[in-house]
Amino acid sequence: NAGVTQTPKFQVLKTGQSMTLQCAQDMNHNSMYWYRQDPGMGLRLIYYSASEGTTDKGEVPNGYNVSRLNKREFSLRLESAAPSQTSVYFCASSPDSYTEAFFGQGTRLTVV
Amino acid sequence: LAKTTQPISMDSYEGQEVNITCSHNNIATNDYITWYQQFPSQGPRFIIQGYKTKVTNEVASLFIPADRKSSTLSLPRVSLSDTAVYYCLVGFNNNDMRFGAGTRLTVKP
Repeated sequence: NAGVTQTPKFQVLKTGQSMTLQCAQDMNHNSMYWYRQDPGMGLRLIYYSASEGTTDKGEVPNGYNVSRLNKREFSLRLESAAPSQTSVYFCASSPDSYTEAFFGQGTRLTVV
Repeated sequence: LAKTTQPISMDSYEGQEVNITCSHNNIATNDYITWYQQFPSQGPRFIIQGYKTKVTNEVASLFIPADRKSSTLSLPRVSLSDTAVYYCLVGFNNNDMRFGAGTRLTVKP
C-alpha cells in the first residue's frame, strides 16, 4: 500500500517554464489537497478537492491551477514558474474533509 | 479562522514526558484541535485530534480545558526518534486548517 505518491521528487525550472506536479493516492479517499512549505514555515493550502470533479482555492492559489483527473489523481500545474514559487510541495488525501490527512513525501521545486 | 500560538522550540531528554501547549483564543464552537508531526524531508503525519476534555491514543494524549482556548499535546517517555516539528491546527475541516511555524522538539540522549 503506497499511500500518497508524488512525482517528481525534485525539479529545477527556469523562470517562465511550465510544469505539472503529479499526485496519486491508492486509499480510495474522496478529498485531496496541495500545500506548499517554505523554509522555516508551516504548510499553506494552495488548492483542495473535496470530491472527484470539484476543486476549490485555498490560502495561496495565485499562479497555480489544479485538475482532479479522477478519484485517485490530483495534479498541480504551474503555467509560468516564478522564483517565488520555489518551495516544497506536498500533496495529501483524506477519506473526507473532516478526517485525518495523509501526506506524500513532497516535491522540492526550485525556480531559477 | 482561529490563530494558534505555540513555542518555537523545546528541548527534552530521552525518557521524559513532553508537554507542548498551543493557544487558540478565538477557537470557534465547531472547531476541532489537531496535531501533526513532521520529520525533515517528509510530509506531516497525523498524531491526534480532539474537541474537548482528554483524548488518548497509542502515541500521545491531548488535554483540552473547558474553555478550549488552549490545548496541550503530551508525549510520554520520548525517545530520540521523537525529534521533529509538531504543529497544532484548529479548524472545522481540513480545508480551513492553517499550519503555523510549529514547535521544533529536540530530544537529547
